Amino acid sequence: SQQGEEDPQALSIQEGENATMNCSYKTSINNLQWYRQNSGRGLVHLILIRSNEREKHSGRLRVTLDTSKKSSSLLITASRAADTASYFCATASNAGNMLTFGGGTRLMVKP
Amino acid sequence: DVKVTQSSRYLVKRTGEKVFLECVQDMDHENMFWYRQDPGLGLRLIYFSYDVKMKEKGDIPEGYSVSREKKERFSLILESASTNQTSMYLCASSFGGGFGETQYFGPGTRLLVL
Repeated sequence: SQQGEEDPQALSIQEGENATMNCSYKTSINNLQWYRQNSGRGLVHLILIRSNEREKHSGRLRVTLDTSKKSSSLLITASRAADTASYFCATASNAGNMLTFGGGTRLMVKP
Repeated sequence: DVKVTQSSRYLVKRTGEKVFLECVQDMDHENMFWYRQDPGLGLRLIYFSYDVKMKEKGDIPEGYSVSREKKERFSLILESASTNQTSMYLCASSFGGGFGETQYFGPGTRLLVL
């Protein structure tokens, strides 16, 4: 069952612009993760943010987490054509080993 | 680097055939997972395993079985393939310890059942 829901479902921007994707979830979490999937390939882990963290950076990626609103955002700064991919958030509950994935945001970065 | 490999990138099978999808990871991970991914439905968990010979049903186990005889290998079996099992199948692995550790994915197998 999908707990995370990404918004928007699709996003098209020009190279050099920033891209922001949002994720909302329903139940309490231990951590939230973002993954990227290039067309026809497997998912690649980007960043993990724990429930007691509010913001995390990795290179051009910035992730925020607001547990009171049960939402997270992924910001990609100075986007490149190579960032074109689908981006998924995944939430880990406080029990069990399973991640629950959202439906993804399809990002297209035009050169 | 963690490496998760899947036996085939593309597979075409006939309805009723028995299909084996193999997944191997090289990082001594305790947990292994099988998902299917369909447009508009996201990733859905079929089965997972937290140890050798241990398996647990995910959200959509019907029509599938799994086998984990060795720690590094997790097989997904379609006992009698049907057209509604045409999909992208993704294998993943993670360290044990619970609470949703980072998962490492294979490249995926795109299965077409005719």
